[in-house]
Amino acid sequence: GAGVSQSPRYKVAKRGQDVALRCDPISGHVSLFWYQQALGQGPEFLTYFQNEAQLDKSGLPSDRFFAERPEGSVSTLKIQRTQQEDSAVYLCASSSHGTVNQPQHFGDGTRLSIL
Amino acid sequence: ILNVEQSPQSLHVQEGDSTNFTCSFPSSNFYALHWYRWETAKSPEALFVMTLNGDEKKKGQISATLNTKEGYSYLYIKGSQPEDSATYLCAFGMGANNLFFGTGTRLTVIP
Repeated sequence: GAGVSQSPRYKVAKRGQDVALRCDPISGHVSLFWYQQALGQGPEFLTYFQNEAQLDKSGLPSDRFFAERPEGSVSTLKIQRTQQEDSAVYLCASSSHGTVNQPQHFGDGTRLSIL
Repeated sequence: ILNVEQSPQSLHVQEGDSTNFTCSFPSSNFYALHWYRWETAKSPEALFVMTLNGDEKKKGQISATLNTKEGYSYLYIKGSQPEDSATYLCAFGMGANNLFFGTGTRLTVIP
């Protein structure tokens, strides 16, 4: 597609439920990033893929968070046993190469609300 | 904890005014500095990626400068228009692929 596509745009879940957020990056982009943005904060790094390899997951806040990109294209961020503090906007970005010298192209984000 | 600070947090300017805001970041382990514009209900859009001390970039009426030795970047908007209203985010690249974002400057241009 022309840009990074994320779905759903909005997700409301009850505490304890599992959720899955999808990111479809720009075709051919090697690198894919997930960020979490809490209210009033800037985006915070969660994890990074180069093709299908998850090279950095240091930002994942707990073992309830899991991300995958099995074929090096679409990625899914899964949150198990959601908690209220997981409420945030989750942004996905892709770039043509893996270094910070390249601009990142963002999706519109998924706004997750945990009740 | 890595500190990327942006100031001011928000500002309102009249249409036609010029304005600028600041991004401060650590002066060590510098790889790159990014600026993004984020309009409401849209996705963040890359404005500039700067990598060298003294870099200056320009896109239309928006320009940016970079001082890696003292750890700051300025973003300038000349002759602000209402469509420039957005949150402007800077992000500091320390490692090969890690970006650390500031909290943004929210600009409102009043017609």
